[in-house]
Amino acid sequence: EVQLVESGGGLVQPGGSLRLSCTASGFTFSTYWMTWVRQAPGKGLEWVANIKQDGSDKYHVDSVKGRFTISRDNARNSLYLQMNSLRVEDTAVYYCAKEGFYYMDVWGKGTTVTVSS
Amino acid sequence: VVLTQSPGTLSLSPGERATLSCRASQSVSSSHLAWYQQKPGQAPRLLIYGASSRATGIPDRFSGGGSGTDFTLTISRLEPEDSAVYYCQQHVNRYTFGQGTKLEI
Repeated sequence: EVQLVESGGGLVQPGGSLRLSCTASGFTFSTYWMTWVRQAPGKGLEWVANIKQDGSDKYHVDSVKGRFTISRDNARNSLYLQMNSLRVEDTAVYYCAKEGFYYMDVWGKGTTVTVSS
Repeated sequence: VVLTQSPGTLSLSPGERATLSCRASQSVSSSHLAWYQQKPGQAPRLLIYGASSRATGIPDRFSGGGSGTDFTLTISRLEPEDSAVYYCQQHVNRYTFGQGTKLEI
């Protein structure tokens, strides 16, 4: 079964850091682009970042550039999102997703990040 | 690229047809346009990719169309389980999503 499982979310103070993880199974992780998408409470979907199969290309939405970094470890079938200098507006459910040809065909259940003092 | 979805909310009865619109601020390649369904408390699910291709396991009641800046998702023979928020998504340099259409059956 193709599956993505996120972890690492939690409550953090503004200015703090968190590292999200996403573990993949059921498919050849190293052959796909991977993506993080977030959803603030009661809001729509926002693409956050994505990364090429070998990690050589990565892109981030402007609102997180310089604060968040996407990475991957193909040997561990894992995707990561290092989040620094967190802001209240980063509060959201964070989903990892497997990419197809400019779409996202497999999603995890998400992990919740709450930034609050 | 900004995607604008309409209407914001759509209320219909079982058996009716729903037509959801997604308008882009600039032309989008049809191969780079997708639609998702999201039910409360769940992750999004891919419905349509390449503007008109159904994802695996999606019933043929769901169909997509359009080109350029105007795309549509049509759901025929509505069922109560179709109640959800529907998002369009594009990729021109970066991914963006529309703000969503809430469908109430």
